[in-house]
Amino acid sequence: GDSVTQMEGPVTLSEEAFLTINCTYTATGYPSLFWYVQYPGEGLQLLLKATKADDKGSNKGFEATYRKETTSFHLEKGSVQVSDSAVYFCALGGQAGTALIFGKGTTLSVSS
Amino acid sequence: GAGVSQSPSNKVTEKGKDVELRCDPISGHTALYWYRQSLGQGLEFLIYFQGNSAPDKSGLPSDRFSAERTGESVSTLTIQRTQQEDSAVYLCASSLVPDIGFGYTFGSGTRLTVV
Repeated sequence: GDSVTQMEGPVTLSEEAFLTINCTYTATGYPSLFWYVQYPGEGLQLLLKATKADDKGSNKGFEATYRKETTSFHLEKGSVQVSDSAVYFCALGGQAGTALIFGKGTTLSVSS
Repeated sequence: GAGVSQSPSNKVTEKGKDVELRCDPISGHTALYWYRQSLGQGLEFLIYFQGNSAPDKSGLPSDRFSAERTGESVSTLTIQRTQQEDSAVYLCASSLVPDIGFGYTFGSGTRLTVV
């Protein structure tokens, strides 16, 4: 069945460092891909998405490109801030009418 | 409402008791989802409602778990005879249409602790 694998955390970075959180997927067909973020004490929020191959989703300085050839959707940010400290979830949307499938989450901690 | 509302925000219950968790989706959102978030396990899909269609219950872990939704409004997740392994954060989400490309709006969750 469809699945999502994301890198294990925690990821600890200094402010202004470059961030990459890897996400790969297994799916039949052409899924949509998402990154959600959960800030401390808050619910999950949609960060960005891409619905077809080669699309790039972007928001708040974060980017991810849907790579069909490598079945990946890695999250990147050029310069992280302390306020980016959160848990990041990669998710896959397969067939219409089915629920999103989430990865296990990656905790990011940014220090000043 | 302005967002997805879940209640209670925290629930502590004794092993063996039944609990009910409530989710009030965004008005007009036809699709509603329940997930469970356990430490180190990510988000585990439980059940999905879409309008008046039969729900997708494929993620419910046992017959102690059930959920109802009346039309396109409030949903209740019931756990009977709670066990310690049921301790987790239960998240509800809704979306305007079941189209996967739209993504979901999540509530803040109910933290369930079974003692």
